[in-house]
Amino acid sequence: GAGVSQTPSNKVTEKGKYVELRCDPISGHTALYWYRQSLGQGPEFLIYFQGTGAADDSGLPNDRFFAVRPEGSVSTLKIQRTERGDSAVYLCASSLTPNSGGDSPLHFGNGTRLTVT
Amino acid sequence: SQQGEEDPQALSIQEGENATMNCSYKTSINNLQWYRQNSGRGLVHLILIRSNEREKHSGRLRVTLDTSKKSSSLLITASRAADTASYFCATGRGKSTFGDGTTLTVKP
Repeated sequence: GAGVSQTPSNKVTEKGKYVELRCDPISGHTALYWYRQSLGQGPEFLIYFQGTGAADDSGLPNDRFFAVRPEGSVSTLKIQRTERGDSAVYLCASSLTPNSGGDSPLHFGNGTRLTVT
Repeated sequence: SQQGEEDPQALSIQEGENATMNCSYKTSINNLQWYRQNSGRGLVHLILIRSNEREKHSGRLRVTLDTSKKSSSLLITASRAADTASYFCATGRGKSTFGDGTTLTVKP
């Protein structure tokens, strides 16, 4: 079946602009995660959703970052007033249930490479 | 700070050799997962080991878990050039927390 889809695959924007990154999870997966990955580093947790609500947003670096999942499926990560330091690959993942004692591995998309010039 | 930390940071071996990567973590876990990432791609789940398991196999992969030492190892036997990738361990409740990975290069 279809995996996690992220669009766009690449996004170049100017400093100060607003961007939206989209994630379409695997159908039926209730949990959805956003990570950010810089070159040579592991994924850094940003936020995860259980259904429509953000269950843990402790990884969002500041109030310029916001994510929504209004219908419990597709999610959008929104970044306001982008800065050069926001440049990274933004990864989305979904799982059948949150990994809270259950055996629910994460299924990742290929990411959106964001470049802020 | 990251929950899982892998070592070595980089590993280079010849095709056919075995590769061993280690992961250490800090707090109690329900399970530990290993992922692979090819360059420019997302992470792919390899294997999950529960906290009450000590060893698990999947094809050429063998994972061990020592909860008393808060550590895990991933062994890839009879490595192939296609195994060249970065490998990450992840732990967590709800969210999964990743280390910076081990970059494995398998030379043909």
